[in-house]
Amino acid sequence: DVQLVESGGGVVQPGGSLRLSCAPSGFNFDDYAMFWVRQAPGKGLEWVSLINWDGGRPYYAESVKGRFTISRDNIKNSLFLQMNSLRVEDTALYYCAKGVIVGTTDYYYMDVWGKGTTVTVSS
Amino acid sequence: EIEMTQSPATLSVSPGERATLSCRASQSVSSNLAWYQQKPGQAPRLLIYGASARATGIPARFSGSGSGTEFTLTISSLQSEDFAVYYCQHYNNWPHFGGGTKVEIK
Repeated sequence: DVQLVESGGGVVQPGGSLRLSCAPSGFNFDDYAMFWVRQAPGKGLEWVSLINWDGGRPYYAESVKGRFTISRDNIKNSLFLQMNSLRVEDTALYYCAKGVIVGTTDYYYMDVWGKGTTVTVSS
Repeated sequence: EIEMTQSPATLSVSPGERATLSCRASQSVSSNLAWYQQKPGQAPRLLIYGASARATGIPARFSGSGSGTEFTLTISSLQSEDFAVYYCQHYNNWPHFGGGTKVEIK
């Protein structure tokens, strides 16, 4: 059974840092791109970051570029999101999701999602 | 950035009735369009990808259509478990979600 389990969320002051982790199981992790997607309380979904299968191509939404860093460890089967210079507007439930590539493009959709980990940025 | 607009924001439907949800892209996304269902307190679930292909395990009452800028998700006969929020998302380059349509019991 394909599963994704996020961890590392918590309460942090503005300007602080957090590192989220995602533990996959039930599939060959190093065959797939991975996403981070967030959902602010009572709001819709926002794509945050994407990393290709070998970690060589990370991509970011404009709202987090320069502050967040996505990475992966294919030996230890883990996905990470290092979040620095956190802002109140980064408060959200953060999901990791497995990416499925579209043919020979660099486009991906998300076919499996974890349950998420909550990040609260507040003074 | 390609913007996605969903309508209506809320759809009130009786069980057993048909529900039609719309999603419009600000420019063509070809068929690079997915639909997700999200129930309260749960993660999103993939329903449709490639604008019209059902994901694994999704019942046949869910169907997607469209290409370019206009897309539709149809639920042919609403079941109690289908009342939820539905999001469209393009993946033509960086992914972007629509604002969602809440399907509620009439």
